[in-house]
Amino acid sequence: AQSVTQLDSHVSVSEGTPVLLRCNYSSSYSPSLFWYVQHPNKGLQLLLKYTSAATLVKGINGFEAEFKKSETSFHLTKPSAHMSDAAEYFCVVSDRRYSTLTFGKGTMLLVSP
Amino acid sequence: SQTIHQWPATLVQPVGSPLSLECTVEGTSNPNLYWYRQAAGRGLQLLFYSVGIGQISSEVPQNLSASRPQDRQFILSSKKLLLSDSGFYLCAWSRTEGYTFGSGTRLTVV
Repeated sequence: AQSVTQLDSHVSVSEGTPVLLRCNYSSSYSPSLFWYVQHPNKGLQLLLKYTSAATLVKGINGFEAEFKKSETSFHLTKPSAHMSDAAEYFCVVSDRRYSTLTFGKGTMLLVSP
Repeated sequence: SQTIHQWPATLVQPVGSPLSLECTVEGTSNPNLYWYRQAAGRGLQLLFYSVGIGQISSEVPQNLSASRPQDRQFILSSKKLLLSDSGFYLCAWSRTEGYTFGSGTRLTVV
């Protein structure tokens, strides 16, 4: 069985300050991990993914995430928030054996001027 | 290139009416196909997945069913909609480690 816990339902930052969205996972197999972003009434866009290569993964729009097996974490970070980053972010784990996705409940990122 | 089409984008249906949402994939063969639902204030929940024609796995017992009549076609159906079926439905496909999502269907049951 696999599961994902996003530790914050809402995160508020000011434009230009760092972003940290936290995610912990559990998986019976070697997992693949993803971060997706969803803007209002839009589909999901892949930010980045980890598939057992480098533990520090760089994604689009300046986001990156670090896979820490000892902590079972995959936190998403960005050095400087932009207004356009305001959206809902989902941490996702894939059981590579069956290739199904399990989503976290999402973290809403709010960016103020 | 691979693309995924999902329609309609929005749908308002009365309680008790039937439902049919269609998803088609282009540019790939024998993909894994998925239906997810996002209810208000909640994350995405896997409803069904299919690894081949006629092969459907259901993750959550509910008022919905899925069918895969062709390799690149995945249909989500209901005979009688409930208010609780309202939500944002996403179709997705994958081959190896890559997933691609459709643009979604926002279903409102009234």
